[in-house]
Amino acid sequence: EPEVTQTPSHQVTQMGQEVILRCVPISNHLYFYWYRQILGQKVEFLVSFYNNEISEKSEIFDDQFSVERPDGSNFTLKIRSTKLEDSAMYFCANHAGISTEAFFGQGTRLTVV
Amino acid sequence: KQEVTQIPAALSVPEGENLVLNCSFTDSAIYNLQWFRQDPGKGLTSLLLIQSSQREQTSGRLNASLDKSSGRSTLYIAASQPGDSATYLCAVPFDKLIFGTGTRLQVFP
Repeated sequence: EPEVTQTPSHQVTQMGQEVILRCVPISNHLYFYWYRQILGQKVEFLVSFYNNEISEKSEIFDDQFSVERPDGSNFTLKIRSTKLEDSAMYFCANHAGISTEAFFGQGTRLTVV
Repeated sequence: KQEVTQIPAALSVPEGENLVLNCSFTDSAIYNLQWFRQDPGKGLTSLLLIQSSQREQTSGRLNASLDKSSGRSTLYIAASQPGDSATYLCAVPFDKLIFGTGTRLQVFP
């Protein structure tokens, strides 16, 4: 089965520090997303990426967040200056087409102290 | 605006029971509906994808149904086992996936 891979699995950072979360998507699956899940809450959409550009951003995805594709295949999610409320599980996901199955990575647990 | 709700929020059953998890959505113009399993502190594992043109989809002991007109989907788990204990999430695509709050299932021996 296709697999989406995320690193690191867990990151602890001090408030105000920058973090970079990484994701290796399934190749030739063109639709790519970042989601987050605060402990005990719903999975929330952050940003989508299609055809090498951001297609949609949520209200959560403010100027502190950025998504890049540094090597043309893998993705990063950068949080420039972390806040306590950024503590959450961050998931990347992708799928091949608009009505196809979405595959999620195992997530990065970000803890901001 | 698409909203997805799941009931019950939590369910505790003895091993061997058949059970039904419910998912409701407000906008019936969906491409498909996907059910996921999430173990504590872990990622999302896709269980079933049911297309809007389908009424049912089966995988092993799992059966998902979809009624677009009423905005509902059910996940039926037959002969539940302790290993089924997890949170079950449904999600519908609305450009991005919109998730329900999940049903936390505990199956005890």
